[in-house]
Amino acid sequence: DAKTTQPNSMESNEEEPVHLPCNHSTISGTDYIHWYRQLPSQGPEYVIHGLTSNVNNRMASLAIAEDRKSSTLILHRATLRDAAVYYCILRPLSNDYKLSFGAGTTVTVRA
Amino acid sequence: DGGITQSPKYLFRKEGQNVTLSCEQNLNHDAMYWYRQDPGQGLRLIYYSQIVNDFQKGDIAEGYSVSREKKESFPLTVTSAQKNPTAFYLCATGQGQNIQYFGAGTRLSVL
Repeated sequence: DAKTTQPNSMESNEEEPVHLPCNHSTISGTDYIHWYRQLPSQGPEYVIHGLTSNVNNRMASLAIAEDRKSSTLILHRATLRDAAVYYCILRPLSNDYKLSFGAGTTVTVRA
Repeated sequence: DGGITQSPKYLFRKEGQNVTLSCEQNLNHDAMYWYRQDPGQGLRLIYYSQIVNDFQKGDIAEGYSVSREKKESFPLTVTSAQKNPTAFYLCATGQGQNIQYFGAGTRLSVL
C-alpha cells in the first residue's frame, strides 16, 4: 500500500487558516486521497476526499498537487473545536475498502 | 437516530477472560470494521466484513474473533490469547468506496 507522510504536529491561532500538508510520492493513479480527523477520546470522522481535482465542502478544502504526489488540507478559519489529530490516507480502488491510518498530525488551536 | 453504537464505553478484563465488544449500526451499510488504537498511535485494522456471514482478517487479527450473523451487528471478542489487550477499540461501517463512519469507541483495560 502507498504510504503518506505528515508532520507530527502543527499549531494555529483561532480564526486563522490552517494548512496541513501530506506527502504521498508513491501514490498510484487509482488511489483516492482521504482525510479524517479524530477529536480527543472519540472515533475518527470523515473530513474530505478527492482524486485529482481540488475539493471543497463545509468543513475544509483539499488542494491536490498536479502530479498528485502531495496534497494539503485547508481549514479556512480554525476554531477551538478543530483541535484534533488529522489523518491523510490513501484509499486504493480495490474490493476490500480498507483504510490504513498512520500517526497523523496533531493540530493545536490557540485562543 | 442513525448511526453506530458501541458498548460498553469502558470494559475491564481479568486474566484469562474472554470479553465481547458490541457494535450495532442502523445505517444499512454492508461493510463493518474493527480497529485498535494504542495511545499516541494511529488505528490498526483487526477484522472487517463486507457482507453477512463473511469476514476477513486485518493486520492484527491474532487473539481476536468476530462474527457477522446480522447486517446490523459485528461483535468483537478479545480472547485470552490476546496478551496485550489494553487499547481503544473502534468500530466503523462503510458502503463501497465511500467514507467510513466510526462509533464512539470502547476503552478496554486489564485488571
